[in-house]
Amino acid sequence: EVQLVESGGGLVQPGRSMKLSCAASGFTFNNYDMAWVCQAPKKGLEWVATISYDGSSTYYRDSVKGRFTISRDNAKSTLYLQMDSLRSEDTATYYCARHPGANWGQGVMVTVSS
Amino acid sequence: DIVMTQSPSSLAVSAGETVTINCKSSQSLLSSGNQKNYLAWYQQKPGQSPKLLIYLASTRESGVPDRFIGSGSGTDFTLTISSVQAEDLADYYCQQHYSYPLTFGSGTKLEIK
Repeated sequence: EVQLVESGGGLVQPGRSMKLSCAASGFTFNNYDMAWVCQAPKKGLEWVATISYDGSSTYYRDSVKGRFTISRDNAKSTLYLQMDSLRSEDTATYYCARHPGANWGQGVMVTVSS
Repeated sequence: DIVMTQSPSSLAVSAGETVTINCKSSQSLLSSGNQKNYLAWYQQKPGQSPKLLIYLASTRESGVPDRFIGSGSGTDFTLTISSVQAEDLADYYCQQHYSYPLTFGSGTKLEIK
C-alpha cells in the first residue's frame, strides 16, 4: 500500500523558515516524480512544486520561486520542501503527492502569523 | 499559464440523479506525440486529502466505481457521475499536467439533497 506521511508543519512567523518532510513507502520512490500541492483554508488546490525522479529537474509556481526549494533523498525515500521568507499568504495545508496526483499524503498545516 | 475554468461551482442533487461537471482549459491538453490528454479529476471529501478519480481525461483509477466517467479532448472535458450516492458528497477538481505550472480548476462542491 502506498503511504505518504508529511511532517514538519506548525506556526511560524513571517519572514522565517520551515522545512517539510514526506516519508514515502509502498512503491519504488526513486522511479517517480514527486510534488507538493497546497490548499489555503477553505480554498482550492494549488500546485507548488515538482521534482523529477532523480532530482535533476525542479519546477515551481511563480509565487514561491526563489523562496521554496523542493528536494529528495532517494536513499531515505523522503521528499522535502524548504520554505524560506514565509508570508502570511503561504498559510495552507501542504500535501505531498506522487506527481501529478496519483497518491496523496494526509497533509500538514503551515500557519504563517506573528 | 494554462487556465482551467471549471463549472458549476456548486450543485445539489438527489441520490440517483446524474451529475455533469465541466472543465475547460485555455490551451489544448492533447499531446500531438501520443494523442493523450493530460487532464485529471480528483475527489476531495470533507476533511480528507484529494483522491485521484480519472487520469488522461478518461481512464478510471483502480478501485474507482464505474459510475464516474471522464470524457473530452483538447480543451473541453467532463466528469459525469451517474446515479449519485450520498458518499459522493465532496469537492471535485480538474487538473492539467500538460505543462508547467500545473493548474487546477476552482472546484465544484457537490451536495446531496
